[in-house]
Amino acid sequence: GIQVEQSPPDLILQEGANSTLRCNFSDSVNNLQWFHQNPWGQLINLFYIPSGTKQNGRLSATTVATERYSLLYISSSQTTDSGVYFCAVGVSGSRLTFGEGTQLTVNP
Amino acid sequence: GAVVSQHPSRVICKSGTSVKIECRSLDFQATTMFWYRQFPKKSLMLMATSNEGSKATYEQGVEKDKFLINHASLTLSTLTVTSAHPEDSSFYICSARGTTLENIQYFGAGTRLSVL
Repeated sequence: GIQVEQSPPDLILQEGANSTLRCNFSDSVNNLQWFHQNPWGQLINLFYIPSGTKQNGRLSATTVATERYSLLYISSSQTTDSGVYFCAVGVSGSRLTFGEGTQLTVNP
Repeated sequence: GAVVSQHPSRVICKSGTSVKIECRSLDFQATTMFWYRQFPKKSLMLMATSNEGSKATYEQGVEKDKFLINHASLTLSTLTVTSAHPEDSSFYICSARGTTLENIQYFGAGTRLSVL
């Protein structure tokens, strides 16, 4: 099956800092989603981005499908950005495979 | 749009009892729903995939008689943990995928099950 690696596993930032989270995957996919899991466990959809670049406020994501990686950028981080960020990939019509996540802590 | 409701959010039960968890797509029709399990500080593990009107497909190692899944309509799937034991304690999350061309999965808020 598809392997998904996320880095870094843990990241600690001061409020206002920028960060880049990476997701590498081992095979061709046509589904890639980024999620933020808040402290209560809710998975929040951030981006559906099997290829290309998207931006939503302070967040943006880029997927280079031919090189099998995706990046999530967080700018001007806030304490409310804390939580676990997951990348999940899949092939059309099938399961999503999740990475192990990046635990982000933003300190005031 | 694309809201998935999962109920209950938390349940505590005695060993040997059965627990039913509901997953509803509120504003779209979900031809496929997924059930995941998450251990503390771990990633999500897919347990099973259910398609409306047909039997669920279970992942390897998941006991289908322990985790009964029913997807009777395009907006509702249920997971029943039968004869629960303490080792079944976990965070269970459902997701739903609609009928559009995109394959976006939308997730419920999860159910924290504690078996005493």
